[in-house]
Amino acid sequence: SQTIHQWPATLVQPVGSPLSLECTVEGTSNPNLYWYRQAAGRGLQLLFYSVGIGQISSEVPQNLSASRPQDRQFILSSKKLLLSDSGFYLCAWSVGEETQYFGPGTRLLVL
Amino acid sequence: GNSVTQMEGPVTLSEEAFLTINCTYTATGYPSLFWYVQYPGEGLQLLLKATKADDKGSNKGFEATYRKETTSFHLEKGSVQVSDSAVYFCALPGGDSGGSNYKLTFGKGTLLTVNP
Repeated sequence: SQTIHQWPATLVQPVGSPLSLECTVEGTSNPNLYWYRQAAGRGLQLLFYSVGIGQISSEVPQNLSASRPQDRQFILSSKKLLLSDSGFYLCAWSVGEETQYFGPGTRLLVL
Repeated sequence: GNSVTQMEGPVTLSEEAFLTINCTYTATGYPSLFWYVQYPGEGLQLLLKATKADDKGSNKGFEATYRKETTSFHLEKGSVQVSDSAVYFCALPGGDSGGSNYKLTFGKGTLLTVNP
């Protein structure tokens, strides 16, 4: 069966520091991968998606970036965090275009 | 483009009460429709889905029927439990400005609290 992991689970970072969040999927090949952010108030915002190694599509311009160095690894990064980057970051995967399966999330607090 | 409008709540019920959370959609064609659930402090879990008109998705006592005539996908449960307390999201593929179906468009979520 497929599983999805995210780490760290919780992160507290100062403003201006770098960020690296990691997501890995097991039990499937060539998945589509996604990064979402959920701010206070529960709305979900798609940040990036990837349909293959090295292929990244950005949905919202911001100071975040994503990379996919391996088939089942998806990384969310920032060179300098802003206060507004605080939130709950969710990684998801799918095969094809439809049903997406989510990881446990990383809670980021920027101080 | 595709969009979804979901009853925002919050909804507070007593245990064993009947639940309805309304969801209506606007879409090009007949996309699959989804309900996701998010328990406190966790990621989203797929609760149920329907892939074509008149399909009924069901799971854990929850049901939703894909109604193309009313463009609705309301979530129902006959008897809720305290453990059903969570945020529920309605979703469909595609974005509000068209484009790729790789994107899921979510409703704003409905917070359900079930009291014993």
